[in-house]
Amino acid sequence: AQKITQTQPGMFVQEKEAVTLDCTYDTSDPSYGLFWYKQPSSGEMIFLIYQGSYDQQNATEGRYSLNFQKARKSANLVISASQLGDSAMYFCAMREYNTNAGKSTFGDGTTLTVKP
Amino acid sequence: NAGVTQTPKFQVLKTGQSMTLQCAQDMNHEYMSWYRQDPGMGLRLIHYSVGAGITDQGEVPNGYNVSRSTTEDFPLRLLSAAPSQTSVYFCASSRTSGGHSSTDTQYFGPGTRLTVL
Repeated sequence: AQKITQTQPGMFVQEKEAVTLDCTYDTSDPSYGLFWYKQPSSGEMIFLIYQGSYDQQNATEGRYSLNFQKARKSANLVISASQLGDSAMYFCAMREYNTNAGKSTFGDGTTLTVKP
Repeated sequence: NAGVTQTPKFQVLKTGQSMTLQCAQDMNHEYMSWYRQDPGMGLRLIHYSVGAGITDQGEVPNGYNVSRSTTEDFPLRLLSAAPSQTSVYFCASSRTSGGHSSTDTQYFGPGTRLTVL
């Protein structure tokens, strides 16, 4: 089974609207971290937001928030007030600290296009 | 701080040639890793290291070797290049592999685009 699943290959959003990018994960390790990265067309990987498995509250970083539903094993990224510069590929990733030596697993990504 | 640097940025090889992709970080990070990204896909782990002198295999290690003689450097060696190794290669580093906080995030180099003919 895939450890990280991103079911939306492509998403469109109107500028200034909010958008949710889906991510589900699979692990039996109680200690893990979930990360979202942005990859613009220039190719670099930019860290956006982190959620730890023991964190009680959903993570927020500026316009980014993470909707963490532990029982459902989902960690969706919410981008509020979309901007044209948000157009990029977005990757969800997980690090498993006990069972997998902290190795990261990445999803296949979602391409977000922001329309003016 | 330069962060994570990778050289070269682009490389074209012929089948059977060998080469080394260089990666260096100046953040004193213990954990370093190499990934490959094929078109339209996510990153797959090739090899990783939890500290100087310690390396281990990731998801797709065949055809690649690594070494970690210093904290700063983590070169990736292609032994005998094959067209299937055409990809973008990313090196990444993080403070630890189990800090359980946002400081755990991996910092990525700019990538090396490799084409094997």
